[in-house]
Amino acid sequence: GAVVSQHPSWVICKSGTSVKIECRSLDFQATTMFWYRQFPKQSLMLMATSNEGSKATYEQGVEKDKFLINHASLTLSTLTVTSAHPEDSSFYICSAGQVDQPQHFGDGTRLSIL
Amino acid sequence: SQELEQSPQSLIVQEGKNLTINCTSSKTLYGLYWYKQKYGEGLIFLMMLQKGGEEKSHEKITAKLDEKKQQSSLHITASQPSHAGIYLCGADIPYSGAGSYQLTFGKGTKLSVIP
Repeated sequence: GAVVSQHPSWVICKSGTSVKIECRSLDFQATTMFWYRQFPKQSLMLMATSNEGSKATYEQGVEKDKFLINHASLTLSTLTVTSAHPEDSSFYICSAGQVDQPQHFGDGTRLSIL
Repeated sequence: SQELEQSPQSLIVQEGKNLTINCTSSKTLYGLYWYKQKYGEGLIFLMMLQKGGEEKSHEKITAKLDEKKQQSSLHITASQPSHAGIYLCGADIPYSGAGSYQLTFGKGTKLSVIP
């Protein structure tokens, strides 16, 4: 149980395009979904927290207009990197959680902007 | 803000050896989680500890949360190549919104197991 699916696993695109990453909880309803960014050999950095039906809460330094988060249902959250540039290249991971339960993570999306 | 310090940063052990990874918090831990990550992949949940003095085991991995709830250790017995990866400890941080808590993570411990 507690499977989180993240798609796509790897995307390469040109600078200036927008990229959407999906995060789905397959066998449970997630009260909250989290988006993280991870740089090579670094730990996870929380970008934003989203609850279904409400606006995401972004961490300090994360641009809301650059990283659009939509949490339309209890099983789906999306992260859209708008007008992506090479500096946005990174490994993005989502997680889904329920109250008093551990967060379960997707397999991550490797984003490469040319 | 709460900070988690993991030690060691990296560890190379011979297959069959025991090892311990530590996670020390700057503040009291209300929920401590251990995850394993293979480079470039997602995190696999290992264990959750909430009570001071709590100890949990799964197969050859044992995690403990000390009585004062500011340090946790992860112990692997008779390590195998399949144990290799990056071990991350994460701690609940109070979150004012509805839903589950946010997590703050340590920087990870990279474990290599030599056959």
